[in-house]
Amino acid sequence: DGGITQSPKYLFRKEGQNVTLSCEQNLNHDAMYWYRQDPGQGLRLIYYSQIVNDFQKGDIAEGYSVSREKKESFPLTVTSAQKNPTAFYLCASSISSGGTHSSEQFFGPGTRLTVL
Amino acid sequence: AQSVTQPDIHITVSEGASLELRCNYSYGATPYLFWYVQSPGQGLQLLLKYFSGDTLVQGIKGFEAEFKRSQSSFNLRKPSVHWSDAAEYFCAVGPLMEYGNKLVFGAGTILRVKS
Repeated sequence: DGGITQSPKYLFRKEGQNVTLSCEQNLNHDAMYWYRQDPGQGLRLIYYSQIVNDFQKGDIAEGYSVSREKKESFPLTVTSAQKNPTAFYLCASSISSGGTHSSEQFFGPGTRLTVL
Repeated sequence: AQSVTQPDIHITVSEGASLELRCNYSYGATPYLFWYVQSPGQGLQLLLKYFSGDTLVQGIKGFEAEFKRSQSSFNLRKPSVHWSDAAEYFCAVGPLMEYGNKLVFGAGTILRVKS
């Protein structure tokens, strides 16, 4: 089955530690996205990537980093510089960066990060 | 600036009753519009989408939505709600080409279904 997988489902981190959230897709999508979700705030874009080896900052990139070395993978690192990292993180992908259906995004199941 | 407003944070309906969730958007051109549903602790699932053409679109799980350009609205409806419809619903508008086809999401509406 095609889809997006995120791991782990739950992640606990001590203050001052970096953690990496995994996102893998087998949909052959070019574009991938990372969102942060907090109660009552909808989804906010952290980073996005339109092609391999290229990525751009979204609205709330500070304290986060990403890489896109392979088409199917877009890991997100939450660094110690992120002051309030406890949240639900969602990864998404879309077909490409152009055309009607390119804006339709498919989502993974999410990772809940808790800082202890 | 592009934005999406979902005026209702919470809505409670009785099982079997009709449902309408409101969505208003601000967008500088003809928008693409989406409704997603999220169960607790899960990812988002696409319910329906509007790109062009017929302004009444049908989606999965018996949902429909109507695009009204004059009102900048894209309200989600269902004629008879089931207990399994209890979830959070997000309206989204796009694409924002300068952000790689970014979608802008509303803050969400939590639907509670009472028996």
